[in-house]
Amino acid sequence: ILNVEQSPQSLHVQEGDSTNFTCSFPSSNFYALHWYRWETAKSPEALFVMTLNGDEKKKGRISATLNTKEGYSYLYIKGSQPEDSATYLCASSGYSTLTFGKGTMLLVSP
Amino acid sequence: SQTIHQWPATLVQPVGSPLSLECTVEGTSNPNLYWYRQAAGRGLQLLFYSVGIGQISSEVPQNLSASRPQDRQFILSSKKLLLSDSGFYLCAWSVQGQAGELFFGEGSRLTVL
Repeated sequence: ILNVEQSPQSLHVQEGDSTNFTCSFPSSNFYALHWYRWETAKSPEALFVMTLNGDEKKKGRISATLNTKEGYSYLYIKGSQPEDSATYLCASSGYSTLTFGKGTMLLVSP
Repeated sequence: SQTIHQWPATLVQPVGSPLSLECTVEGTSNPNLYWYRQAAGRGLQLLFYSVGIGQISSEVPQNLSASRPQDRQFILSSKKLLLSDSGFYLCAWSVQGQAGELFFGEGSRLTVL
């Protein structure tokens, strides 16, 4: 069983602020690390899937890094916008299944 | 393109009643299929996954069961619901053979009274 921890639990920032979240996971038997965005009344959608130590991925204003040796990943949002408000989930995978953290709930105020 | 649908979207059931949530995937073959639940104040918990027809793996002991009667159909059931079964249920699929990106259905909110 994998224990995936995310912090902070929730975050409230102003429009234009940059922010970051942390995901920690067991570094043994690591296969892949996923980030998902879950907006209210919608389904979770994948942002990134990373497998290699040192991976960095970017999608617009959102980027993520991965350290598999120490078991953590950071998600960064540059210049937050109200539409970024959502719960951000990370998940660590074995071969067939993913184990999710509890998520970080982000609220961006105009 | 691939799509995933689950229903019903909302369900209010009395304690002790049966449950059936259905999920279907279109546009792909031999997907891995998953049922997750988010209970109040908790993260997404994997309930069941399936790598093929009739192959079901259960992650947690509970009074729920899952079946995969067809390649792209995944059903979550219970014979007698408990209050603790309340939550938001998500069906998802991924490409066969690897824990790759999950594609989620719209979700089903179950309230047991």
